[in-house]
Amino acid sequence: DSGVTQTPKHLITATGQRVTLRCSPRSGDLSVYWYQQSLDQGLQFLIQYYNGEERAKGNILERFSAQQFPDLHSELNLSSLELGDSALYFCASSVVGPADYGYTFGSGTRLTVV
Amino acid sequence: QKEVEQDPGPLSVPEGAIVSLNCTYSNSAFQYFMWYRQYSRKGPELLMYTYSSGNKEDGRFTAQVDKSSKYISLFIRDSQPSDSATYLCAMSSGNTGKLIFGQGTTLQVKP
Repeated sequence: DSGVTQTPKHLITATGQRVTLRCSPRSGDLSVYWYQQSLDQGLQFLIQYYNGEERAKGNILERFSAQQFPDLHSELNLSSLELGDSALYFCASSVVGPADYGYTFGSGTRLTVV
Repeated sequence: QKEVEQDPGPLSVPEGAIVSLNCTYSNSAFQYFMWYRQYSRKGPELLMYTYSSGNKEDGRFTAQVDKSSKYISLFIRDSQPSDSATYLCAMSSGNTGKLIFGQGTTLQVKP
């Protein structure tokens, strides 16, 4: 157990729907990162939150949004889902940033859009 | 051109072999270099962390960074079947923002 908890582990939904992925960071970590992993694109950075505020943004689609709550857990919202959104979504956490001996990843949420 | 290039393999070696995994990168601002191991359907786990240039050793694993050539390596000595996984290089320029990952190299160690 890495200390980063992601729920749900698996999600199957239809095109056009909206889903919410949840992440609880490791105790003491203030930064949360979301990544998308697909076979052809590898691990793609979506967004970082630090202590409740958005810190960095990557290739995140407008249909996707995220937030970090006062208790530091984070949610990634995916809406108007398309078949191409099927992927593994990982959450990671660190004390501040990548220089803090890298990230700790959760076990991921496997999203299947049908 | 991607910021980080990594040969996806697959790489198949016999048990006990020395494995060499490599990444090249284009961004000279990268200062922090990491190697992650990812088993099938699991989250990546940090193997090695290196700041700037030089070598770092941890058990059977050695990480090397050559910033002048923009080239990093991971060596695995006495490889074991349990080392069979995908190995991802990752790097960053600073304390905020994203880690940039390579595509990952799939390694199979045959008994």
